[in-house]
Amino acid sequence: AQSVTQLGSHVSVSEGALVLLRCNYSSSVPPYLFWYVQYPNQGLQLLLKYTSAATLVKGINGFEAEFKKSETSFHLTKPSAHMSDAAEYFCAVSESSWGKFQFGAGTQVVVTP
Amino acid sequence: DTAVSQTPKYLVTQMGNDKSIKCEQNLGHDTMYWYKQDSKKFLKIMFSYNNKELIINETVPNRFSPKSPDKAHLNLHINSLELGDSAVYFCASRRDREGPNTEAFFGQGTRLTVV
Repeated sequence: AQSVTQLGSHVSVSEGALVLLRCNYSSSVPPYLFWYVQYPNQGLQLLLKYTSAATLVKGINGFEAEFKKSETSFHLTKPSAHMSDAAEYFCAVSESSWGKFQFGAGTQVVVTP
Repeated sequence: DTAVSQTPKYLVTQMGNDKSIKCEQNLGHDTMYWYKQDSKKFLKIMFSYNNKELIINETVPNRFSPKSPDKAHLNLHINSLELGDSAVYFCASRRDREGPNTEAFFGQGTRLTVV
């Protein structure tokens, strides 16, 4: 079964600093990878997804992620953190067109002034 | 227009009661899901329906019974509620005809508190 592992359950960054959230996947076939964000008391919103068209994927709100097959990773970055980036971030892998999304444990991002 | 809507948003009830959560999507998607998010934010799949047929049932107690009257609706009924059922329940939907890299759209969640 496919799975993802998020390293670090809690990340604290200063406003304006780089945000780096780590996600490693376990898959024997090409993975379908996603990053979602959850703001307090809200549902999950898609940040970006890997489509195999390009290894560097750009998403909303200035986020991007790089797919590295050799490292089985799909880390999420943002060059300059904003206070509004404080949220919970989830990496996910999908097994098939109608299959389930398997989520990582999530990483809470705290942004300090 | 809300893409995936759940009702109610908050639900507080006593142990032993029976309750239902409703979900509707207006995206024309074929697949719908129920996920449970625990107090540590961990998201676990409960059920998946594709074109009204149950596809995934992930080791969920049979007190939980999903029902999909049509492709746009997936409801969750819970019998004999227990304290451990307290969580946030998310409904999601997905278009399956465009390949496996299509994203799921999530509702706002239903926060269930069993007292």
